[in-house]
Amino acid sequence: DGGITQSPKYLFRKEGQNVTLSCEQNLNHDAMYWYRQDPGQGLRLIYYSQIVNDFQKGDIAEGYSVSREKKESFPLTVTSAQKNPTAFYLCASSMIVAGTDTQYFGPGTRLTVL
Amino acid sequence: GENVEQHPSTLSVQEGDSAVIKCTYSDSASNYFPWYKQELGKRPQLIIDIRSNVGEKKDQRIAVTLNKTAKHFSLHITETQPEDSAVYFCAASIKNTDKLIFGTGTRLQVFP
Repeated sequence: DGGITQSPKYLFRKEGQNVTLSCEQNLNHDAMYWYRQDPGQGLRLIYYSQIVNDFQKGDIAEGYSVSREKKESFPLTVTSAQKNPTAFYLCASSMIVAGTDTQYFGPGTRLTVL
Repeated sequence: GENVEQHPSTLSVQEGDSAVIKCTYSDSASNYFPWYKQELGKRPQLIIDIRSNVGEKKDQRIAVTLNKTAKHFSLHITETQPEDSAVYFCAASIKNTDKLIFGTGTRLQVFP
């Protein structure tokens, strides 16, 4: 998991503003994921991507957008349409091999709406 | 839809005692069950995992058991230490995808 980086560590957003969270991995993993974590709750899947230029919505995709132009990078944009964006955002990646689903996490970005 | 239930939500034990966390999953096709440990403000870290062709797996003080018939799996930590204090998450794979569905977490506190 040391091969996954997220930036920034802390991010403050004003109402009505879009912000982009960065996620980069040098593990040569095929799949990448974005999760949202709220206090006292588990990890909820926002978006995931199994291959470059392709991605799928997770359980809570509304108000978020992603792109996967490079295998190493999977940025997440939190748009103004996301009404309650304050949360801890975690990026993960995994190698797609039959029977191998282990996901490794980045250090996270804590987003706060002012 | 698929879901994973995790119990208890909080668990307090004395140092040296054992701790057990239980999870139940709904998708009978799930075949991969990882456990993650997350310290405050840090990333979740994989501590142990088990696949559906195995009933039990052990790694030093940590063990996981799987009952496919009942669709539940458990994390066992023996000889607990204060540094075991963290939030633990279970997860289960979703059939024909590379997705995991996570439990809501158990906050374990180990008192010296």
